[in-house]
Amino acid sequence: SQTIHQWPATLVQPVGSPLSLECTVEGTSNPNLYWYRQAAGRGLQLLFYSVGIGQISSEVPQNLSASRPQDRQFILSSKKLLLSDSGFYLCAWSVLLLHAGSPLHFGNGTRLTVT
Amino acid sequence: DQQVKQNSPSLSVQEGRISILNCDYTNSMFDYFLWYKKYPAEGPTFLISISSIKDKNEDGRFTVFLNKSAKHLSLHIVPSQPGDSAVYFCAANQAGTALIFGKGTTLSVSS
Repeated sequence: SQTIHQWPATLVQPVGSPLSLECTVEGTSNPNLYWYRQAAGRGLQLLFYSVGIGQISSEVPQNLSASRPQDRQFILSSKKLLLSDSGFYLCAWSVLLLHAGSPLHFGNGTRLTVT
Repeated sequence: DQQVKQNSPSLSVQEGRISILNCDYTNSMFDYFLWYKKYPAEGPTFLISISSIKDKNEDGRFTVFLNKSAKHLSLHIVPSQPGDSAVYFCAANQAGTALIFGKGTTLSVSS
């Protein structure tokens, strides 16, 4: 069966510090991978998605970047965190890209607090 | 501009009764609608979906109803159980575009 691992579960970082969140998927090949964020009082917002190694699409301009160095590894990064980067970050995968007939499978998320 | 709206942030129901969670949308081009359930400290899990060509989809205790003319969908849980207590997200999209999520409704089922 497929599993998705995301770490760390919680993170407190000062403004201006770098960020690296990692996500790995097991039990499937060539998954479509996603990073979502839920800011306080808002719905889940898609930040990045990837259809393959080295292929990243950005949905919203921001202070963050994503990379996919291996087929089942997806990394969310920032060089300098802002207060507005605080939120709940979720990694997800799906069989079909952006198609609602192929549901998203989420990791357990990372609660990021920028102080 | 919120394309998917869940106007009730919370809902409380007694065990055994029906829970009805509501969702409104503005984009008439959406062709798929989904409900996700989220427990604390976990990611959302897929619950049930419905395509725009249908008006009802049922899976055990969960039924989703779609009213396209009103741009409204609802999730019915019958009978409600304490383990159903969670945050429920409504989501929608057109094929090939990102899923748009609502802000969620927190359901509390008391025994």
